[in-house]
Amino acid sequence: QVLLVQSGTEVRRPGASVMVSCKASGYTFTKFGITWVRQAPGQGLEWLGWINNNNGNADYAQKFQGRVTLTTDTSTTTVYMEMTGLTFDDTAVYYCGRDLDTIVPTVGDYWGQGTLVTVSS
Amino acid sequence: EIVLTQSPASLSLTPGERATFSCRASQRVSGDFVAWYQKKPGQPPRLLIYGASTRATGIPDRFRGSGSRTDFTLTIGRLEPEDFAVYYCQQYGSWLTFGGGTKVEI
Repeated sequence: QVLLVQSGTEVRRPGASVMVSCKASGYTFTKFGITWVRQAPGQGLEWLGWINNNNGNADYAQKFQGRVTLTTDTSTTTVYMEMTGLTFDDTAVYYCGRDLDTIVPTVGDYWGQGTLVTVSS
Repeated sequence: EIVLTQSPASLSLTPGERATFSCRASQRVSGDFVAWYQKKPGQPPRLLIYGASTRATGIPDRFRGSGSRTDFTLTIGRLEPEDFAVYYCQQYGSWLTFGGGTKVEI
C-alpha cells in the first residue's frame, strides 16, 4: 500500500534551519510528485512547494522562494524539505503528500503523518 | 495569486442532515482545477474531490463536488458522525492556494 513516513518532531531556535524527510513506499516513486503543506496552530493549510521526482525540478510558493529547498533521492525514495531562517511563525505541522502529477503541482492523494516543527528561544 | 474564500466559516449541523459549503475564487480557475480536503485534528489532509467533481479513491458517494469558473460547492448528502471536521478547498489551476476552511461541528 502507498505509505509516506516523515521524520520526527524538531525543535529549533529562531534563525536556524530544519530538514524534514519523507520516505515513500508502495508505488513507483518517479511516477508521482511530492507536495508539501503546513498547518500552524489554529490556522489553515498553506502550500510550500512541490518536486518532480523524475528530474528533481521543484516549484515553490512565492512566499517561500529562497527559504525552502526540496530535494529528492530516488535511490532511497525519500524527499527532503529544508527551511532556513526560521521564525516563530514557522511553528507548524508539516505534511508531505503524493501528488497526482509529475509535471505540475496538483493535488495530494496520500499523505505522511506530519512532522511538528517548533521554533522556540 | 488566486484567493479562495470559503463560506460559511463554520456550520452547526446534526448527523443525517445535508451540508453545503461554498468556495469562491478571486478569478477564474483554469480547467476548473479545484479540490476539496477534509482535515481532522492530528490527522493529515484527506483528499475528497479533485477536478471540481471527481471523487478520490475510496470516498463515499455522499460527498459531491460541483461548480465551475469561480464558484465551487461541496455537498455532503447525509452527515455521518465521522464527517464533523474542517473542509478546505484548493485550486491548482494557477500555482496552488487553499481557502480558509469551513468547520462543520455538531
